[in-house]
Amino acid sequence: GENVEQHPSTLSVQEGDSAVIKCTYSDSASNYFPWYKQELGKRPQLIIDIRSNVGEKKDQRIAVTLNKTAKHFSLHITETQPEDSAVYFCAASRGGANSKLTFGKGITLSVRP
Amino acid sequence: EAGVAQSPRYKIIEKRQSVAFWCNPISGHATLYWYQQILGQGPKLLIQFQNNGVVDDSQLPKDRFSAERLKGVDSTLKIQPAKLEDSAVYLCASSPVVAAEQYFGPGTRLTVT
Repeated sequence: GENVEQHPSTLSVQEGDSAVIKCTYSDSASNYFPWYKQELGKRPQLIIDIRSNVGEKKDQRIAVTLNKTAKHFSLHITETQPEDSAVYFCAASRGGANSKLTFGKGITLSVRP
Repeated sequence: EAGVAQSPRYKIIEKRQSVAFWCNPISGHATLYWYQQILGQGPKLLIQFQNNGVVDDSQLPKDRFSAERLKGVDSTLKIQPAKLEDSAVYLCASSPVVAAEQYFGPGTRLTVT
């Protein structure tokens, strides 16, 4: 089955700096890659996703890049703010009718004011 | 639109007891998921329904866990008997179709003592 790994497990940045979180996956048939943000004690919420027919997607301060050859995708957050502090989960699935989403273990991002 | 509803929000039981969780997905969402999230880890899919049929239950410990979605709307997840290692947050999510954004409920925090 699919195996999704995230690196690093924790990341601390200064407010205003950029943060990059990387994920690798094992199933070459995966073609849907979402990123979820989970604040302490709250539910995961989708912040951005990408499908394998594009290499990059951007939404304001957040972008995701995908390298299908290397089987990795990354979340880029620019101009970080304290409210960006949370756990970020990447996930992958094949996207078909019976596909399931496999999540990574999560990365804790801390933005220092 | 109303979000995914779950109850109860918290539950404390002793090992070998039984417990049931309830989920009401967003209206019109055909796909419903139950995840187990152990502290410090990403959500792990237990079971995925498409309408009232099971799409994937490969990671559901079927000797003690069961789930149903009889009318293709609400769902219940049951654990009988509970073990200490079942202590986790149980998240329900729904999506309009597979491989689309999943909307998570607030979760049920289960503590088994």
